Amino acid sequence: SQQGEEDPQALSIQEGENATMNCSYKTSINNLQWYRQNSGRGLVHLILIRSNEREKHSGRLRVTLDTSKKSSSLLITASRAADTASYFCATDLGKFYFGSGTKLNVKP
Amino acid sequence: DAGVIQSPRHEVTEMGQEVTLRCKPISGHNSLFWYRQTMMRGLELLIYFNNNVPIDDSGMPEDRFSAKMPNASFSTLKIQPSEPRDSAVYFCASLAGGQETQYFGPGTRLLVL
Repeated sequence: SQQGEEDPQALSIQEGENATMNCSYKTSINNLQWYRQNSGRGLVHLILIRSNEREKHSGRLRVTLDTSKKSSSLLITASRAADTASYFCATDLGKFYFGSGTKLNVKP
Repeated sequence: DAGVIQSPRHEVTEMGQEVTLRCKPISGHNSLFWYRQTMMRGLELLIYFNNNVPIDDSGMPEDRFSAKMPNASFSTLKIQPSEPRDSAVYFCASLAGGQETQYFGPGTRLLVL
C-alpha cells in the first residue's frame, strides 16, 4: 500500500500539553498534507509541506518532513480541548493517499 | 461559498436496494474525489474526476459501484445492489485546478441492513 501510516493510533493528553503525531509513507512524494476530522464531520486541511521543505509552521502547528526516512510529524503546541479530533496525513502522488489517522483526545 | 454539498446526509436501506449518493463540488473546482471511510479500512479513494472525466477508478471495489459526473457541478455514486459490507461514510471532495488542497463535504453515512 502507498498509504501513510500514522502513529500513535490514539493519544490522550491534558489541555496545555503538546501533542505529536507521526506519519510514515512508502514512496517518493510531491507533498504531504495533514488533515483534521472532527467526529461526524468531513476532513479539513491543516497544512501542506512540500518534498523540498523540512519544516513548516502554522499557528500552533509545526510539521516536519524527513524524505530520507519517509516520515513526517505534526506537533500541536499548547493543546486545547477543541483540538480533540482525528488527524490524518495524506501523500500526494498525483492522487491522494490517506493514512489511518491518529485519534487525539485533549482532556480539559 | 457553501462548500462541498453532499446528500443525503444519512441513508438507511435494505440489502439489495439501489443507493445513490450525490455531491455538488465547490464552484470552479475541476477535480472531484469520492472516498469511503470505515473503521477497518480507513479512508479509501474510490474514484476521481478531472474536468468531469473519470481519471482513476481503480479504487472502486466492484461492479456494483458506479460513479458519474454529468457536469461540473454534480456527481453521483451509485451502489446497485447494495450489501451490508457497503455500510460506511462516503465523502466527496473537490479541488481547484493548480491547487493542492482538497475540500471535503460532510459525508453521507450509509447503513445497509
